[in-house]
Amino acid sequence: ETGVTQTPRHLVMGMTNKKSLKCEQHLGHNAMYWYKQSAKKPLELMFVYNFKEQTENNSVPSRFSPECPNSSHLFLHLHTLQPEDSALYLCASSQDGMNSYNEQFFGPGTRLTVL
Amino acid sequence: AQSVTQLGSHVSVSEGALVLLRCNYSSSVPPYLFWYVQYPNQGLQLLLKYTSAATLVKGINGFEAEFKKSETSFHLTKPSAHMSDAAEYFCAVSDNAGNMLTFGGGTRLMVKP
Repeated sequence: ETGVTQTPRHLVMGMTNKKSLKCEQHLGHNAMYWYKQSAKKPLELMFVYNFKEQTENNSVPSRFSPECPNSSHLFLHLHTLQPEDSALYLCASSQDGMNSYNEQFFGPGTRLTVL
Repeated sequence: AQSVTQLGSHVSVSEGALVLLRCNYSSSVPPYLFWYVQYPNQGLQLLLKYTSAATLVKGINGFEAEFKKSETSFHLTKPSAHMSDAAEYFCAVSDNAGNMLTFGGGTRLMVKP
């Protein structure tokens, strides 16, 4: 595996379900990010982890719970979601979360549909 | 606070024609600027970035962008469009407060044969 991978690629869940999205980066990076991409809205940064520590929570509802057990893996735990949470969830990584010139590398995303 | 405006959510050009995708930014400090491309059902891929070196930046696939501080712009161009350039393009800005990107709304480029 190379780059940033995300599983599953597609997920359909009911509002009462609990599911998790997984992201893995094979680039030796130290920062990881979750973004939400909704139709007709700009990409929204959700969470940032730098060296496994959460450094940014962009006012995300508590029904989204991130977890970063190590610098290579990032999870997004989902529970009691709403239909408006349906979107493409993108994971990204970068060398670190401190230098603004670092390129972010993106995974292919998980297309989430909440029924 | 920083922000990015991409004028034109949809741009259509003929194959072989000039591609011009507009991006204007606001930032309280000298910014770092990025252009990403997203093909259907894929994540974002970096086309090019400006990090305060040369103001004309060359990227992959024949794209380039010019940083114009006086106009707060970072427009993306390609001299001759190819069918494979059809995708969505995102401009993003990052200031010196850590590696957090603010994205524009995106421009969908359509290329007609």
